[in-house]
Amino acid sequence: EDKVVQSPLSLVVHEGDTVTLNCSYEVTNFRSLLWYKQEKKAPTFLFMLTSSGIEKKSGRLSSILDKKELFSILNITATQTGDSAVYLCAVGKSNTGKLIFGQGTTLQVKP
Amino acid sequence: DVKVTQSSRYLVKRTGEKVFLECVQDMDHENMFWYRQDPGLGLRLIYFSYDVKMKEKGDIPEGYSVSREKKERFSLILESASTNQTSMYLCASSPTVSEQYFGPGTRLTVT
Repeated sequence: EDKVVQSPLSLVVHEGDTVTLNCSYEVTNFRSLLWYKQEKKAPTFLFMLTSSGIEKKSGRLSSILDKKELFSILNITATQTGDSAVYLCAVGKSNTGKLIFGQGTTLQVKP
Repeated sequence: DVKVTQSSRYLVKRTGEKVFLECVQDMDHENMFWYRQDPGLGLRLIYFSYDVKMKEKGDIPEGYSVSREKKERFSLILESASTNQTSMYLCASSPTVSEQYFGPGTRLTVT
């Protein structure tokens, strides 16, 4: 059975800290891994990763995929209170538009 | 910008009522999806559609049906609402095997 597991499930840090969120997967016919950020509304797209070892970066956020070890990490440096959200990891399978989601990591950044 | 809208942000229904949740996207996307989101369980796929009048079951289709008469509109139907269907319902669309764009969600409470 296809599975996506995120850790930790929740995290509390202070502004300025660096955090690393983890996503491991066991999915047949892997196509891509996606990260979303969800505040109190619709999830918004952050990154899509298809190749191992190539870092994707957007401001203070970066992500990398390891297809051999079947995991991805999302790093956030110099965290701000606006980074407080649920971060969702999802895996897409080949030849289908379906995504398989992990449980999400709830990040709280305190001032 | 892609826009996905959902008919209601909050909805309260009684057990046994028939419930319609509407989703409209304005980007001519082929694929549309309905998820429910519950604490600790992440997003779970209910139904999806790759084309007009086409539908496929997701992971938890029991108790739900869908309708896609026009490309831009995908409806989720709860034939006889039950309390265990109290949840956040998210609609998404995508152009191909790509990232999905989400609507704001409908928080449904069944009493």
